[in-house]
Amino acid sequence: EPEVTQTPSHQVTQMGQEVILRCVPISNHLYFYWYRQILGQKVEFLVSFYNNEISEKSEIFDDQFSVERPDGSNFTLKIRSTKLEDSAMYFCASSEGWQGNTEAFFGQGTRLTVV
Amino acid sequence: AQKITQTQPGMFVQEKEAVTLDCTYDTSDQSYGLFWYKQPSSGEMIFLIYQGSYDEQNATEGRYSLNFQKARKSANLVISASQLGDSAMYFCAMRVNTGFQKLVFGTGTRLLVSP
Repeated sequence: EPEVTQTPSHQVTQMGQEVILRCVPISNHLYFYWYRQILGQKVEFLVSFYNNEISEKSEIFDDQFSVERPDGSNFTLKIRSTKLEDSAMYFCASSEGWQGNTEAFFGQGTRLTVV
Repeated sequence: AQKITQTQPGMFVQEKEAVTLDCTYDTSDQSYGLFWYKQPSSGEMIFLIYQGSYDEQNATEGRYSLNFQKARKSANLVISASQLGDSAMYFCAMRVNTGFQKLVFGTGTRLLVSP
């Protein structure tokens, strides 16, 4: 069964460092998303991406964040200068469409720890 | 703005019993979709079931069913014949079909199934 793959599963970084979280969405999907979940809290939308551009972003997704689809398979989230409060589980998701019962398939997540 | 409310932080159920996890939502849009996801302790998000706002029948997927009461804006998840492996966090989420592709999540309910 096709799945969304995220690497690494866990990343520890020092405050102020740049991190890149990587995702390989399901191959025929057109819509890509990043969500984050701070430990013990609800899942929050960060950004959606379609046709090589951001289609929507939340207020969390400030200038420190960027997304890119550098080739036909990868979808990355970059945090330029990490802060302690960026520590969270980051989920990549993809969907075939966005209407109707098109569900988003989530990856297994990357746990980011900023120290 | 869209909002999902899950008022049960934790639920306990005995194996083989049925359990209902509550979810209410708030939106002014007429077209929307409601989802339930399961998050086991390993962290991944697993899609369980979907209900569209125009669907006349309640959705069912195996042991999962969604008790959709549109006038009350509720979309409760019913798990029949609980199994030990059902112990997890359960998130209700909503997508509004107005061109935005993000999911809005509730705070989740932690379900513990005892033998």
